[in-house]
Amino acid sequence: GESVGLHLPTLSVQEGDNSIINCAYSNSASDYFIWYKQESGKGPQFIIDIRSNMDKRQGQRVTVLLNKTVKHLSLQIAATQPGDSAVYFCAETTYNNNDMRFGAGTRLTVKP
Amino acid sequence: DGGITQSPKYLFRKEGQNVTLSCEQNLNHDAMYWYRQDPGQGLRLIYYSQIVNDFQKGDIAEGYSVSREKKESFPLTVTSAQKNPTAFYLCASSIGRNNQPQHFGDGTRLSIL
Repeated sequence: GESVGLHLPTLSVQEGDNSIINCAYSNSASDYFIWYKQESGKGPQFIIDIRSNMDKRQGQRVTVLLNKTVKHLSLQIAATQPGDSAVYFCAETTYNNNDMRFGAGTRLTVKP
Repeated sequence: DGGITQSPKYLFRKEGQNVTLSCEQNLNHDAMYWYRQDPGQGLRLIYYSQIVNDFQKGDIAEGYSVSREKKESFPLTVTSAQKNPTAFYLCASSIGRNNQPQHFGDGTRLSIL
């Protein structure tokens, strides 16, 4: 989920397990959502996106689920690997991309 | 390879000094953005530009200035008026059409001497 303040929510999983990272978004008018991965000292990296006319989208080892009724977004990572360790955050926007809003993120740690 | 290049990676500012952060992209993107990232917080928009020679203030523009003289370049100046400049600064670009992802550089970490 999202956080306010200095400490991010954390998720610790065993290598090979599936991970689920959640995001509660704020604007019911948002119609485009993105998941980013950010490793320490680097910029955010695009993982997957989804538009509001869909409720599920799959990529390579990742799946994004969108529940517009409760304004909830989740990222599922299959067979999590040590290289997946990073901060993951969601972004939401309305039709105009200039008002993209970013969550603070969740720190995923993968134990070997 | 196409991408966004930010420089320098680390920057130190003295009291009363203006510093400029560089952002260059070779993705042929029309739109460019500057964000500030503080520990435990989401990205906050400083300035954005949708087209050359035009830019708009974001949520936290005070103490910052930008220019967009070329499509590829969107430098950010942190002025002495910005009293709390210590942060990680991220530049992003996008095609500019709606519902397209923003792509980010690897950031500049600015600290006060």
